[in-house]
Amino acid sequence: SQQGEEDPQALSIQEGENATMNCSYKTSINNLQWYRQNSGRGLVHLILIRSNEREKHSGRLRVTLDTSKKSSSLLITASRAADTASYFCATDAGGFKTIFGAGTRLFVKA
Amino acid sequence: DAGVTQSPTHLIKTRGQQVTLRCSPKSGHDTVSWYQQALGQGPQFIFQYYEEEERQRGNFPDRFSGHQFPNYSSELNVNALLLGDSALYLCASSGAGGPADTQYFGPGTRLTVL
Repeated sequence: SQQGEEDPQALSIQEGENATMNCSYKTSINNLQWYRQNSGRGLVHLILIRSNEREKHSGRLRVTLDTSKKSSSLLITASRAADTASYFCATDAGGFKTIFGAGTRLFVKA
Repeated sequence: DAGVTQSPTHLIKTRGQQVTLRCSPKSGHDTVSWYQQALGQGPQFIFQYYEEEERQRGNFPDRFSGHQFPNYSSELNVNALLLGDSALYLCASSGAGGPADTQYFGPGTRLTVL
C-alpha cells in the first residue's frame, strides 16, 4: 500500500492561475518531499519539508505540512504551460525507504 | 557534471526471460535506489544499495535482485519475467545521509514484457 495519497488525481487550469495539490499520509514521518515528473520520464525533486517545519517556499512553490492531520499541500502560483506534469509527494517510511503517492496530473492550458 | 544515467532506454523481453538494467549515479553520490513505476502509478521502492550492500528492500519478490559496484554504479536484475513486470524502472542516487537526502533520478528504463 502507498503511504501518500494525492488529491486531486487530475487538475486542469488556465495559465496564470494557481494550482493546489494535496497529499495525505498514514504514519509518522521525518520529512516529506514533492517531485515532478514530465511525460513518464525521471522525477525532479522540487522541495523537502521536515516534520518540524510548517511551511516552505521555493520560487513559485509553497509547501505546507500539518503533521497533526498527516497532510501536506503544494501550491504552484501563476502556473505556466511548462508546469504541466505529474506531481508526487514522497515520505520516508522508516529506515531508507521512500514511499510515493499515486500523483496528481496537472494540465496547464495556454 | 553528469547526472544519473540509465541504460538501456527501452527494452522488450518475453515472459520467463531475465533482464539486467544499469545505473550510474550522479558524481559524488554513493547510494543508489531502484523503483518500479507502473503506468499511471507512483514509483514503488524496490531496494537501496550502499557500500555494495542491499541496505533496505521493499515488498518485491526474490526475482528482483541487485548489485552495486565499487564505483557506486548499480545493476537491477529481474529473473523469470512476468507480464506484470512491464513498467518504467527508475534509478535514483543520493548521498549516504539517509532518507532526508535529496534523491536525483535518472530518465528510467522502459521495460515491456510480452
